[in-house]
Amino acid sequence: ETGVTQTPRHLVMGMTNKKSLKCEQHLGHNAMYWYKQSAKKPLELMFVYSLEERVENNSVPSRFSPECPNSSHLFLHLHTLQPEDSALYLCASSPQGQGTDTQYFGPGTRLTVL
Amino acid sequence: AQSVTQPDIHITVSEGASLELRCNYSYGATPYLFWYVQSPGQGLQLLLKYFSGDTLVQGIKGFEAEFKRSQSSFNLRKPSVHWSDAAEYFCAVCYTGGFKTIFGAGTRLFVKA
Repeated sequence: ETGVTQTPRHLVMGMTNKKSLKCEQHLGHNAMYWYKQSAKKPLELMFVYSLEERVENNSVPSRFSPECPNSSHLFLHLHTLQPEDSALYLCASSPQGQGTDTQYFGPGTRLTVL
Repeated sequence: AQSVTQPDIHITVSEGASLELRCNYSYGATPYLFWYVQSPGQGLQLLLKYFSGDTLVQGIKGFEAEFKRSQSSFNLRKPSVHWSDAAEYFCAVCYTGGFKTIFGAGTRLFVKA
């Protein structure tokens, strides 16, 4: 596979469930990102990892827990979510995690919290 | 606070007509400016970016954008729109020394036959 892949593409979960989103990049990049995309709102940066270290935690509630075991994989662990957390969650990667980087996005996971 | 404004939530253009999507960014140090496009069911894809030099930049799919520092704008243009250009377009900015990219809320483009 090429580029940035995300699984699952769709997820429906109850507020008491625990689930995980997975992102994998095949581009040899050093930085990975999680974004939340809600209707009619700008993309919200959630987390940034550079060389497997978290460099940005954008005031995200603790019910979202990221994990970056290596530079190719990024997870977002979800627990006790709220209905307002329903959104499209996008993963991205970039070569160095610098402002001049182009970010390469996956297709996203559409999350619905019941 | 740093921000990006895309004044138009949606725009409808006839196929073959010209297109301009507006983008304004808040004042700051030297901005790095981007336009991304998102087709339905897809992630974002870079159309073009501006860091320095010539203020008119060319991108993929026949798009171009012009950086105007005096107006804090980075508008996206295309001389002739194709039906396949229907998508959502996002302007984004990052500042010198930063790694956080700030996105606008997006403009959805509809193309009518």
